[in-house]
Parts: sequence; structure tokens; C-alpha cells
Amino acid sequence: QKEVEQNSGPLSVPEGAIASLNCTYSDRVSQSFFWYRQYSGKSPELIMSIYSNGDKEDGRFTAQLNKASQYVSLLIRDSQPSDSATYLCAVLLSGAGSYQLTFGKGTKLSVIP
Amino acid sequence: ETGVTQSPTHLIKTRGQQVTLRCSSQSGHNTVSWYQQALGQGPQFIFQYYREEENGRGNFPPRFSGLQFPNYSSELNVNALELDDSALYLCASSWQGNNSPLHFGNGTRLTVT
Repeated sequence: QKEVEQNSGPLSVPEGAIASLNCTYSDRVSQSFFWYRQYSGKSPELIMSIYSNGDKEDGRFTAQLNKASQYVSLLIRDSQPSDSATYLCAVLLSGAGSYQLTFGKGTKLSVIP
Repeated sequence: ETGVTQSPTHLIKTRGQQVTLRCSSQSGHNTVSWYQQALGQGPQFIFQYYREEENGRGNFPPRFSGLQFPNYSSELNVNALELDDSALYLCASSWQGNNSPLHFGNGTRLTVT
């Protein structure tokens, strides 16, 4: 069973701090990784995608990928109360004829004003 | 360019009944994927449709079935509803062969009583 693991949290950080969200995956040959943000009662919203080892920055968000360690993370700088949500890590399942994402259970982030 | 739209938004059904959920794909997309998200869990892949045929399926029983129409819109049908089918059902469209990230519709919240 190919899995994606996340710490369910909740993770609480003060406003203005850096929030660090982590994810590990079991499928060694996965090539595509995504972070989704989900507000309560809403559908997941894509915020970052990363395909190569290293860092990828987009505004206050930085995704980090280490394929050797099978680890992907998301850093949120200058956290705002509006960042309070559940963050879902997703991995593209390799070897399938279709485009299948395997999701972790999500990490709930609370940014305290 | 319109995004993915799903209907209905909310639905309440009784155990044993049947339900049909609908999804209109984003303009230019020929592939539709369906996911089930139970409370407190990440989305789980149900199946994907391409050229009106199922081309990938997750670990869901046969009472979960689908259709894709010539205009690429799709339906998800669930027969003999069970209490555990209560979940948020998400639809995403994409272009087959393009590993671009999935963008979800707003989802249908199904409650089975």
C-alpha cells in the first residue's frame, strides 16, 4: 500500500512566525508532489507543486523536496490568521495508467493572532 | 475559462438509496477524476474517466460507478448507500497525458442517514 504520512496536528504558531509542515511518502519512484490548502467545509485548493529536489518558492510559501529521504515539506513565512486551515500533501501515484493522487490525512494549522 | 462545477452542493439520502452526483469539467479538459473525502481524512481516489471509459480505479466497491459524456462532463453513481458513504465528493478535470496539478470543484457534501 503506497502511503503518504503527515502529522495531523494541530500545529499552532503565532502570527508572523514560520509554519513548517512535513510529509513523508512510501513510493520511492514518485515524481510529482503537491500541497493543497483546505478551509473547513471547503474543497482543497492547490497552493504549491514541486517536481525536483530542492526548494521552490512562491510568495510566502516554500516547498522543499528530498527524494532520497522521501520527504516533502511546506514552509509558510510571516504566517497570518487567514493561513489557518488544513494542509494536505499529495503524491502522484507512479505506474498507474491514470493520473491518481494519494493524499495524506492533512495537518491542521492554527495561526494565533 | 470556467472551472470545475459540481452539483448538487449538499444532499441527504437514506441508507439503501441510490445517488447521482454531477461534474462539469473545465473547458478544454478531457479527463475527469472523482475523490471521496471522509471527515478528518484526506481525499481518496475513486476512479478516473477518459474518452467516456474508466481508466483507473481506487479501492472502492462496484456499487460506485460512473459515466463520462461526449462533452466530458461526468456522473458518479452510488447504489445501496451505506452510512460510511457520508463524505465530501470531489471532482477534478485534467487533460490526459498532461501531469499538470489537479484543481477540484467545490464538492458535493453527501449525508447518509
